Amino acid sequence: DVKVTQSSRYLVKRTGEKVFLECVQDMDHENMFWYRQDPGLGLRLIYFSYDVKMKEKGDIPEGYSVSREKKERFSLILESASTNQTSMYLCASSLGAGTGNTIYFGEGSWLTVV
Amino acid sequence: GNSVTQMEGPVTLSEEAFLTINCTYTATGYPSLFWYVQYPGEGLQLLLKATKADDKGSNKGFEATYRKETTSFHLEKGSVQVSDSAVYFCALRSFNKFYFGSGTKLNVKP
Repeated sequence: DVKVTQSSRYLVKRTGEKVFLECVQDMDHENMFWYRQDPGLGLRLIYFSYDVKMKEKGDIPEGYSVSREKKERFSLILESASTNQTSMYLCASSLGAGTGNTIYFGEGSWLTVV
Repeated sequence: GNSVTQMEGPVTLSEEAFLTINCTYTATGYPSLFWYVQYPGEGLQLLLKATKADDKGSNKGFEATYRKETTSFHLEKGSVQVSDSAVYFCALRSFNKFYFGSGTKLNVKP
């Protein structure tokens, strides 16, 4: 089975802190994603990476950056956390080729910014 | 552009009732369609998928048929159980990207 592992399930950070959310997948997937999930808004794509060191902005990239130095690892960085970034963050991965390929999710990281 | 619209919830049913959750989509090209389920406090899990028109995806008693003429992918189950209580997301894949609906919460009462 594909496993997508997010390093932290629950975090509490202070406003202005730099926050790192780490994600590792074990299936050699080309694509990795970071989504944010908020009540009533569903899943919104923050960033997408289709290869090592390659990234593409999603729908809501402001206030976030990403890093993909190795194929299996995709990090989300909040440069200066703000209270409106309190949310659940979901990492996901998928194979690149083939329209039927499925996206696999981690269990999520609940971030509270105080 | 690409987008997914699904019925708003919550949907509340009694055990053994019939379930339909509507999903329609707008897409460029020939997307694949998916239903995902999210249990409380967890990430999303694949429930079923269909990759071309008229395909039917099925899993755990749930079914959905890819209808190109109506751009729909409605989720159905003949007899729901309390354990089916969760949030259900309809999604499409176009090229390398996935687009999700806003989710429909299902509550099943004993």
